[in-house]
Amino acid sequence: ETGVTQTPRHLVMGMTNKKSLKCEQHLGHNAMYWYKQSAKKPLELMFVYSLEERVENNSVPSRFSPECPNSSHLFLHLHTLQPEDSALYLCASSQELGGGRVSYEQYFGPGTRLTVT
Amino acid sequence: LAKTTQPISMDSYEGQEVNITCSHNNIATNDYITWYQQFPSQGPRFIIQGYKTKVTNEVASLFIPADRKSSTLSLPRVSLSDTAVYYCLVGATSNSGYALNFGKGTSLLVTP
Repeated sequence: ETGVTQTPRHLVMGMTNKKSLKCEQHLGHNAMYWYKQSAKKPLELMFVYSLEERVENNSVPSRFSPECPNSSHLFLHLHTLQPEDSALYLCASSQELGGGRVSYEQYFGPGTRLTVT
Repeated sequence: LAKTTQPISMDSYEGQEVNITCSHNNIATNDYITWYQQFPSQGPRFIIQGYKTKVTNEVASLFIPADRKSSTLSLPRVSLSDTAVYYCLVGATSNSGYALNFGKGTSLLVTP
């Protein structure tokens, strides 16, 4: 148990569906991240929120839309996805150290296994 | 971000000590070295972090030579449950942005 929870753990959706992934952290951190991990590929950073503001969008298609209503919650809204978007989506949190610095000690949730049919 | 090189895979028997070495020739003065462990279909788990010499915790030890161009993660007396992918990351908590480059990691297989 890392203190970061993600729901749902598994999701199957059609290409025309709209769904949302939820992440919650109980560690008092103020930076949160979305990562994507496709089969046999390294983790790819998608979005970063620091102090509830989006500070990085790593060239992610607009069919992925993040939302961070407060420092403990992070959402990833999904719409009109493609089969190649099937992957493990991981949420992480860490402490923002101020001055644009972030800790390399990140705590990950268990992930949501997404399958797009 | 400093580039890291680590073996693609390693095998070990239960009860042995496993040492995984990571090369990072262009490490910057402010960079720390961080190791993560990832089991299949789970998120990575922070193991240990260090800057120089030796760091030890309840899970592993991290050895960093004086030139800091490499580091070695040491897992004492591995068990089957240590089978996982281990990632070496190098970067600073300042001015390196937010991206953590996990690379391909080292896939460790522990067998009886």
